[in-house]
Amino acid sequence: EAQVTQNPRYLITVTGKKLTVTCSQNMNHEYMSWYRQDPGLGLRQIYYSMNVEVTDKGDVPEGYKVSRKEKRNFPLILESPSPNQTSLYFCASSLGYGANVLTFGAGSRLTVL
Amino acid sequence: KQEVTQIPAALSVPEGENLVLNCSFTDSAIYNLQWFRQDPGKGLTSLLLIQSSQREQTSGRLNASLDKSSGRSTLYIAASQPGDSATYLCAVLTSGTYKYIFGTGTRLKVLA
Repeated sequence: EAQVTQNPRYLITVTGKKLTVTCSQNMNHEYMSWYRQDPGLGLRQIYYSMNVEVTDKGDVPEGYKVSRKEKRNFPLILESPSPNQTSLYFCASSLGYGANVLTFGAGSRLTVL
Repeated sequence: KQEVTQIPAALSVPEGENLVLNCSFTDSAIYNLQWFRQDPGKGLTSLLLIQSSQREQTSGRLNASLDKSSGRSTLYIAASQPGDSATYLCAVLTSGTYKYIFGTGTRLKVLA
């Protein structure tokens, strides 16, 4: 089944404890991106990647890192999480840029205490 | 800077009604506009994608239109059903960027 898989789906952590949210797609998509969704603010883009080793900042990149070493994987890294990073995170991918539908993962709910 | 607005924020309708959801954007230089559905606690499911050169797209009971000059898109849902209850979001990909900008969504409830 063609899909975007995120792990973990739920995570409670403490301030400062590094964590990684994984994202993997099995559709050979070139474009991948991360979003956070907060009440009243909607979805905001954190980082995106046009292809392997090509990444760039979205609108809210502070406090996050990403890497794209393989086409299928696009992990989101929180080096030192803070409570304001408590949110619902989504990974998405598309075949290319511009003309293609975005396919979303099921989401990862992160709580930072 | 592109801004995307969806009004109303919430909508309740009786089953069977035809309804229209609105999405407006400030920069008309776009590559495409997508409509998504989000169920509570779930991810987003793509409903329709309209390229900048297109005026509308249809899928089953859904029809999405795009008017770039006025910065507007509408999602028309015919003969609404309780199963249509969800939050509907639109997202715009502005020309010259690689960033999708989302509206905050319209929460739809269809009453049986």
